Amino acid sequence: DQQVKQNSPSLSVQEGRISILNCDYTNSMFDYFLWYKKYPAEGPTFLISISSIKDKNEDGRFTVFLNKSAKHLSLHIVPSQPGDSAVYFCAGAGSARQLTFGSGTQLTVLP
Amino acid sequence: GAGVSQTPSNKVTEKGKYVELRCDPISGHTALYWYRQSLGQGPEFLIYFQGTGAADDSGLPNDRFFAVRPEGSVSTLKIQRTERGDSAVYLCASRPTDTDTQYFGPGTRLTVL
Repeated sequence: DQQVKQNSPSLSVQEGRISILNCDYTNSMFDYFLWYKKYPAEGPTFLISISSIKDKNEDGRFTVFLNKSAKHLSLHIVPSQPGDSAVYFCAGAGSARQLTFGSGTQLTVLP
Repeated sequence: GAGVSQTPSNKVTEKGKYVELRCDPISGHTALYWYRQSLGQGPEFLIYFQGTGAADDSGLPNDRFFAVRPEGSVSTLKIQRTERGDSAVYLCASRPTDTDTQYFGPGTRLTVL
C-alpha cells in the first residue's frame, strides 16, 4: 500500500517556465510534508516543507501547496533553471518524523 | 559545517557475508534515521534512533538487520547473512531536536553478488 504517490515518473519543462510536480497521499496521520531533490550518486537534499496546518509555503523560486481535503500537494518551481534538473521526492512525516517517500519524479529543464 | 557522512561509499560483498555500514550524523543532532533505497523507488524507512536508543525499528525487514548507536552519535547498520535482495543504497539522515527537517548523507551503495 503506497501511502505517498507521485504518479508522474518524469517531467520536461523549458527553461524559464513553471515546473509543477504533484504528490498524493493516503495517510491522514501525516502532519508535515517535505520535498527533497536528488542528484545521481548523492543523498537527497532538503528543498522545502509545509506543516499540515498551512496551505502554502514559499521560499524563493519554490512554493509548496497543500490541499488537505484532496490529500494532495504540489511543488511549483518558477522560473525553472537547467540546474533544477534532478529527481524530486515528496515525503510525509509521521509522529516520530520518520519519512514516507513517493517514488520520485525526474524533472528535466531544457535550455 | 560538516554534513552527514557515510562510509564506505560502495560495498560489494558475497551472498551470505556480514556487512557493517557506518553513519556519522551532523554534530549535535539527537535524532538519526536509516533508510534503504532500491532502484526506481523512494527511500524506505528502516529504523529511528533518539539518542542512544532505537525508538522505532518497525521498518527493519527481518532479524538479519540490526543497528546500534552506542554513544548517541555514530550509528552502525549491520546486516547478517546478506542476500542479493539486500542490494540497495542505504541512506542515513539526522535531525536536530527543534526542527522537522532531516538531513541526508550521500549513502552507501551495497551490492550483494
